[in-house]
Amino acid sequence: KQEVTQIPAALSVPEGENLVLNCSFTDSAIYNLQWFRQDPGKGLTSLLLIQSSQREQTSGRLNASLDKSSGRSTLYIAASQPGDSATYLCADEPSPRNNFNKFYFGSGTKLNVKP
Amino acid sequence: DADVTQTPRNRITKTGKRIMLECSQTKGHDRMYWYRQDPGLGLQLIYYSFDVKDINKGEISDGYSVSRQAQAKFSLSLESAIPNQTALYFCATSGTSVSEQFFGPGTRLTVL
Repeated sequence: KQEVTQIPAALSVPEGENLVLNCSFTDSAIYNLQWFRQDPGKGLTSLLLIQSSQREQTSGRLNASLDKSSGRSTLYIAASQPGDSATYLCADEPSPRNNFNKFYFGSGTKLNVKP
Repeated sequence: DADVTQTPRNRITKTGKRIMLECSQTKGHDRMYWYRQDPGLGLQLIYYSFDVKDINKGEISDGYSVSRQAQAKFSLSLESAIPNQTALYFCATSGTSVSEQFFGPGTRLTVL
């Protein structure tokens, strides 16, 4: 079974700082890696999807990279803002078997950006 | 309008009651999923469906059942609710060519 780990569990930074969130997975034969944002008590919002043929994806101040050989993905947030405060989850999708894909989630990193 | 909707958004019930959570989507996706989230934990897969005729158990299906009434609708039932089923429940969808997942807003279920 795929294991997905996110360290640290919580992170507090001052506004304006650049930061990196980490996601590691045990099976390097992944198909997709997806990053989500979750606000308290709310659903998950998709931030970035990296397909296995890609090494990174960018959206605004966010950049996600994927290194399958080391079993790691990172989410880089530039010039952090208080509005970035949320829990960030990564989910990987192992190589499809029998035409069906399942996703395995990390437990998330709770980010607090202080004004 | 939201692409993935869930009803109800909040529900408080008693032990032993039957509960149904509903999910509808307008994204035209074939694949639908039910997850539960407990505080401080990641999401755990309960059931998933490839299409209307395909239903599969996830990691934690005991105590749950599902129904895929149409491509756009996927319901989760708790036949006899118990307190440790108190959690946040999410429905999600994904396409077949690019399997990016899209989530509903969640249902907060409390079993007393």
